[in-house]
Amino acid sequence: DTGVSQNPRHKITKRGQNVTFRCDPISEHNRLYWYRQTLGQGPEFLTYFQNEAQLEKSRLLSDRFSAERPKGSFSTLEIQRTEQGDSAMYLCASSLSSDYSPLHFGNGTRLTVT
Amino acid sequence: DQQVKQNSPSLSVQEGRISILNCDYTNSMFDYFLWYKKYPAEGPTFLISISSIKDKNEDGRFTVFLNKSAKHLSLHIVPSQPGDSAVYFCAASGRIQGAQKLVFGQGTRLTINP
Repeated sequence: DTGVSQNPRHKITKRGQNVTFRCDPISEHNRLYWYRQTLGQGPEFLTYFQNEAQLEKSRLLSDRFSAERPKGSFSTLEIQRTEQGDSAMYLCASSLSSDYSPLHFGNGTRLTVT
Repeated sequence: DQQVKQNSPSLSVQEGRISILNCDYTNSMFDYFLWYKKYPAEGPTFLISISSIKDKNEDGRFTVFLNKSAKHLSLHIVPSQPGDSAVYFCAASGRIQGAQKLVFGQGTRLTINP
C-alpha cells in the first residue's frame, strides 16, 4: 500500500487549454474524492465516487469540469478551457465505505494557468 | 459562509510544551470531526478524529476535545516536538450534508521552537 498517488505533481498551462489529472486511490478503498485548495484556505469539496458511481458534485464544479472513475479504481479530473481562476492545488482522497472512515489524501496536483 | 473556523492563523510553541489548536463550527448537524496535518508540498495527513457521541479522544501525544454546546473543538499536542511544525486543519462532516463531504477550516500554522 503506497497511499494515494496523483499525477502530475505540477501542471502549467495557458488559458483556454484543457488539462487532465489522474488519481490512483488506496487499493482497498472504494470511495474516491476530489478537493481543491487555494492559498490560505482549507480544501474544498468538489465531487466523490462510490466505486464507479459519481454520487455528489459541488456547486464549485462548473460544467467545464468533469470527473470519471470508469472501472471503480483510478479517477481522472478534466478541466476544459482553463481560466486563471482555476489555478489551485487539486487534491484526491480515498476512504473505505464506512461513513466515519477518515479520508486519506494524495500529495495533490498544482495547476497554474497563465 | 464559513461553517468551520480556525481563528488563529499561526501559533508558536516551545519544544516540550503543550500546543493547543482551536476550531469553532456553526452547523449543529455536524457529527464527525477530524484533524489533519499538512507539510509543504504534501497532501493533508489524517491525525485524529472524534464523533459527536464523545467529548474526548486520545491517540498518543494527540488529544481532541469536543464541546458540543459551545460548538468548539481543540487539539492538544503534548509534548510538542519540532516535527509537529506544520499547518493543522480541522474538518467536520454530518449525515445531512453527506458524511464524507468534509468541510475544512482555514488552517493554523504551528511552529515548534527548540
